[in-house]
Amino acid sequence: EADIYQTPRYLVIGTGKKITLECSQTMGHDKMYWYQQDPGMELHLIHYSYGVNSTEKGDLSSESTVSRIRTEHFPLTLESARPSHTSQYLCASSDIGQGVDEQFFGPGTRLTVL
Amino acid sequence: AQRVTQPEKLLSVFKGAPVELKCNYSYSGSPELFWYVQYSRQRLQLLLRHISRESIKGFTADLNKGETSFHLKKPFAQEEDSAMYYCALGPLDSNYQLIWGAGTKLIIKP
Repeated sequence: EADIYQTPRYLVIGTGKKITLECSQTMGHDKMYWYQQDPGMELHLIHYSYGVNSTEKGDLSSESTVSRIRTEHFPLTLESARPSHTSQYLCASSDIGQGVDEQFFGPGTRLTVL
Repeated sequence: AQRVTQPEKLLSVFKGAPVELKCNYSYSGSPELFWYVQYSRQRLQLLLRHISRESIKGFTADLNKGETSFHLKKPFAQEEDSAMYYCALGPLDSNYQLIWGAGTKLIIKP
């Protein structure tokens, strides 16, 4: 079944740890996105990708990095987690077509850095 | 600057009453506008987009370029409409990335 998967769903970790948030999709989509969302606030785009070996930074400055080695996989890595990274992280994907395409979202990862 | 404003963080109405969720945008070009919805314990998902001109779950939204608005309306609210609603702008000169409003929490009282 076509879907977007994010793991872990919840993560509590100490300051300074390296973490990778996983995102995989079986939608067959080329475009993938990472958003950061604080409670009650708008979504902020932190990274996106048009396809394999393509990654771009979004409008929100982020200390995270991403990679796109396979079409279906778009992991996000924080080399050294800090309390300011505490947030919800949403992964999304969309098809490449004319205009702005519908984005399909994963369930999210709620990250807490102590 | 490109911006989406949803002035109400919380909107509470009684079942059967009309609902209007406000969305104003700032963009000088021709926008693509969307409403996304997140029901409790579910994922964020597309509700409707202005180019499709559809009514989804009884909701409609009309793009008003003069007022730069894209308000979401439903004539008779139902309890299952309770959710978070996000308005999003897709400026066509920005690599098709979406700019999001802060969202409005809609509560339908029985």
